[in-house]
Amino acid sequence: GQNIDQPTEMTATEGAIVQINCTYQTSGFNGLFWYQQHAGEAPTFLSYNVLDGLEEKGRFSSFLSRSKGYSYLLLKELQMKDSASYLCAYMDSNYQLIWGAGTKLIIKP
Amino acid sequence: GAVVSQHPSWVICKSGTSVKIECRSLDFQATTMFWYRQFPKQSLMLMATSNEGSKATYEQGVEKDKFLINHASLTLSTLTVTSAHPEDSSFYICSARVGLPPGPQETQYFGPGTRLLVL
Repeated sequence: GQNIDQPTEMTATEGAIVQINCTYQTSGFNGLFWYQQHAGEAPTFLSYNVLDGLEEKGRFSSFLSRSKGYSYLLLKELQMKDSASYLCAYMDSNYQLIWGAGTKLIIKP
Repeated sequence: GAVVSQHPSWVICKSGTSVKIECRSLDFQATTMFWYRQFPKQSLMLMATSNEGSKATYEQGVEKDKFLINHASLTLSTLTVTSAHPEDSSFYICSARVGLPPGPQETQYFGPGTRLLVL
């Protein structure tokens, strides 16, 4: 199968910070994507990293280390509406997205 | 931003019937469209990649005679589930790609999905 891994479920408190990790193994790499998916809905784009480093976009930031095959999504000032599944996906050498199974994030008051 | 629509959003059908799902890019031309299937609590599973004017490329294990894909124009792709059975019940999502990847922005725009229930 495709080698991309992320935790199945995480729980965090409203107002706190949570980091969702994603590791992958691939010989061809054209970037790492994070998507948010609320239950019963299609995924929506959050971020794209192709170079090493941190990309910040409001309350959400995404980090990539290509040498380590590692990325994380950092969510700050958590809100109840952030309860969703977060999918990481890498783009392979054929420009096809290879998806992780998703991390279900549960936010508690 | 780019908008992709899917129709219908919900469909319930009897076993043995065929169901057609439409995917449209509303404000852009999509050279490539993707069809995914997602079972509860599982990730997206790519079924096929569809390029306008050519035959779709199906992923391993996906029956091309059962899941017929037509990409007749740059704004429309259809997925027909032929002789549907209860195990075909799933959430079907299409996405459309603009131009050639990769890029600094989202590469795929997703439709809202179609939930299929086969009785």
